[in-house]
Order: sequence, then structure tokens, then C-alpha cells
Amino acid sequence: DAGITQSPRYKITETGRQVTLMCHQTWSHSYMFWYRQDLGHGLRLIYYSAAADITDKGEVPDGYVVSRSKTENFPLTLESATRSQTSVYFCASSVYKGDTEQFFGPGTRLTVL
Amino acid sequence: TQLLKQSPQFLSIQEGENLTVYCNSSSVFSSLQWYRQEPGEGPVLLVTVVTGGEVKKLKRLTFQFGDARKDSSLHITAAQPGDTGLYLCAGAPGNTGKLIFGQGTTLQVKP
Repeated sequence: DAGITQSPRYKITETGRQVTLMCHQTWSHSYMFWYRQDLGHGLRLIYYSAAADITDKGEVPDGYVVSRSKTENFPLTLESATRSQTSVYFCASSVYKGDTEQFFGPGTRLTVL
Repeated sequence: TQLLKQSPQFLSIQEGENLTVYCNSSSVFSSLQWYRQEPGEGPVLLVTVVTGGEVKKLKRLTFQFGDARKDSSLHITAAQPGDTGLYLCAGAPGNTGKLIFGQGTTLQVKP
């Protein structure tokens, strides 16, 4: 039972490059979320999805793109990475809408040089 | 704007001591969640409090939801090194269905 996985776990890239972070869940949860975690800010919601082909912006969506063609996958793309996007990114899923228990992946540590 | 404010942000104590972490807001929440996160891992849910004034216990951890449902606290009795980690409160304001998180409290328990 893999649960929720993220890849890669670590990524170093350069300013201006496109980067895609992958998220895969095996529970068939309807809801999926992308957060970034920075010191002093806790977790901030980037984008979320209520079902396949349904996505919506969170608190900090600028510079990010998501898609959800299959229930189990929810990739996050940084179209042109900036240094301010250096962060730890967490994917999460839940059975019901966002104020119920969320299950988190192990995170991807992204460094933009 | 930080809708959920946690205090303190950092706490370093000796094994056996008691501590309380606070999560405060000016907004009303239908429920508040507490997560714990260990280094290199994602947060894991500890408890959800739903009713104003509710108290829930999880072994040595006691969680309370304020009567007005605007704040919550986490009390740890006789802390142990295994309690070390980042504690996060979270809630969904209004009817948005989107969780917001406090900035977290980093707890270090020294043996």
C-alpha cells in the first residue's frame, strides 16, 4: 500500500527552467492539494483539485500550473522557476473536501539557483 | 495575513516537563485540526476538534477547542524526546473547504 508518493524527493534547478513535480496516490481520493512550506509560513495552499479535470487556485498560485487528467495523479509545474520558489513542496489528498483529514506525501525539496 | 497564529514558534524543554502550544484566530472555524510533522516527512493528523469547548486526549496530549471556536490549545504532559517535531494547527475558515495552516511550533525535547 504505497499511499501517496512524490517525485523527485530533491531537485536543484536554475532560474528560468521549467520543472514538474509529480504526485501519485493509490487511495482514489477525490481531493488533492499542493502546498509549499517555508520557514515562518507553515503550509500554504498553491492549487487543489476536487476531481479529475477540476482544479482551482489556492493562496499562492502565481507561477505554478497544475493538471489532473487522472484521479491518481496531480503534477505541479513551475513554468519558469524563480529563486522565490525555492521551498519544500507537499502533495496531499483527502476523501472529502479540504477541512477533513488530509494525507500528505513525503515532500519534494526544490532549490532554484 | 496569518489567519491562524501559533505560539510559541519555538520551544526547547527538558524531558519530563509540561508544555502548551496555542493556536489563535479572530475567525470562527467549524473545526480545527492538529498535525505533527517530523523532519523529512509530511504532516500527520493527530486530532480534529469540532465542538466549542471540546477536550480530546491522546495519551499524554490534550487538545482543547475554545468555546467560541476561534482558538485551540495543545498541552503535552511529561514531554518525551519522541514528542520532538513541528506541530501545526489547521482549519478551514467559512465554508471554503480549503485548509489554512498556522506557521507551526517547533518542539525540541532534550533527554
